[in-house]
Amino acid sequence: QVQLQESGPGLVKPSQTLSLTCSVSGVSITSVGYYWSWIRQHPGKGLEWIGYIHYSGSTYYNPSLKSRVTMSVDTSKNQFSLNLSSVTAADTAVYYCAREWSATGYFDYWGQGTLVTVSS
Amino acid sequence: DIQMTQSPSSLSASVGDRVIITCRASQGINNYLVWFQQKPGKAPKSLIYAASTLQSGVPSKFSGSGSGTDFTLTISSLQPEDFATYYCQQYHSYPRTFGQGTKVEIK
Repeated sequence: QVQLQESGPGLVKPSQTLSLTCSVSGVSITSVGYYWSWIRQHPGKGLEWIGYIHYSGSTYYNPSLKSRVTMSVDTSKNQFSLNLSSVTAADTAVYYCAREWSATGYFDYWGQGTLVTVSS
Repeated sequence: DIQMTQSPSSLSASVGDRVIITCRASQGINNYLVWFQQKPGKAPKSLIYAASTLQSGVPSKFSGSGSGTDFTLTISSLQPEDFATYYCQQYHSYPRTFGQGTKVEIK
């Protein structure tokens, strides 16, 4: 079955770059119609969509974070990644990766989430 | 961006109660709305998509309605496993946006 798993450092220092990877299993990341997203949730708060990447490399970032976000995809490893630069304490959150299928349009599979804390 | 506003932000209810959560979009989104349930420490799980279509495997006590800007999620008879936070999310346009959540607690 389809599974997504986030990985990366749980602690990042202020002003540095947060880097996370999402490993996908059960489906090829190059399958037609899928868009691979990052979503975050500040502690005790709601959900914020960060952006998506398509296996072709096309991206769409939330304008609120666009200046600091870069996403990439590694089709050979069936993974996609998130880089968020110049982090502050306000970037402390649980980060989820998720799949959006164009046929339905919503996030149908999610990773379990990984907590990233920004602190010196 | 399309703003999604849920009400109430939280509610207390008893087992067996009927619960209604509303979600309003700042502009028309047709029926491009999904409802998620999230339990502590877990990823959100989709319940209803296209505003009213029940996700496979989700019990029929959950139902959704609405189109355009106003939507509702109804739980017909609240059970202990339903105490959670519920979110609406629009997928009409980018950036995708979520409601702020409705926490359903035990009375």
